[in-house]
Amino acid sequence: EAQVTQNPRYLITVTGKKLTVTCSQNMNHEYMSWYRQDPGLGLRQIYYSMNVEVTDKGDVPEGYKVSRKEKRNFPLILESPSPNQTSLYFCASSTLSSTDQDGTQYFGPGTRLLVL
Amino acid sequence: AQSVTQLGSHVSVSEGALVLLRCNYSSSVPPYLFWYVQYPNQGLQLLLKYTSAATLVKGINGFEAEFKKSETSFHLTKPSAHMSDAAEYFCAVSSTGTASKLTFGTGTRLQVTL
Repeated sequence: EAQVTQNPRYLITVTGKKLTVTCSQNMNHEYMSWYRQDPGLGLRQIYYSMNVEVTDKGDVPEGYKVSRKEKRNFPLILESPSPNQTSLYFCASSTLSSTDQDGTQYFGPGTRLLVL
Repeated sequence: AQSVTQLGSHVSVSEGALVLLRCNYSSSVPPYLFWYVQYPNQGLQLLLKYTSAATLVKGINGFEAEFKKSETSFHLTKPSAHMSDAAEYFCAVSSTGTASKLTFGTGTRLQVTL
């Protein structure tokens, strides 16, 4: 089954304790992206990656890091989480092939993070 | 630059009534437009998309949307609401040539009452 998986689904942590949220896709997609969802703000892009070893900032990158060492994985790293990073996080992936380059993104189930 | 405006953060309709969720976009190049649905405690699911073919697009679960370039709109409709349609709906735009860069609206929560 084609899917995007995220782990963990729920996470409670304390300020300053480094954490990583994993994201993996099995569709051989080149493009992967992280979003955060906050009430009244919709989804905002944090970071994205066009291919292995190619990453770039989205609209709200402060406080986050990413890496893309393998095509299928795109972990989100919070080096020193703060309460304002409490949010619902989504990973998404998309193909960049010329025959299907319409921007359709496939989303993971989400990770709900609470930073105390 | 691209942006999306969804009018109405909450919409309430009676079961069986028409559903109309509004979306206006701004894009400097021809856009691709999407509606995603998010059911409670779930991720986002693609409802339908416009990619410069037919202006009236049909999606899953009886939803459809019409691309109106003159009005820069892509409103989502369904003739008869069902209780199972209660969810949050997001309109999104991606500009051709920058495929996969999605900009989302702030979402509209649809409530369906008996």
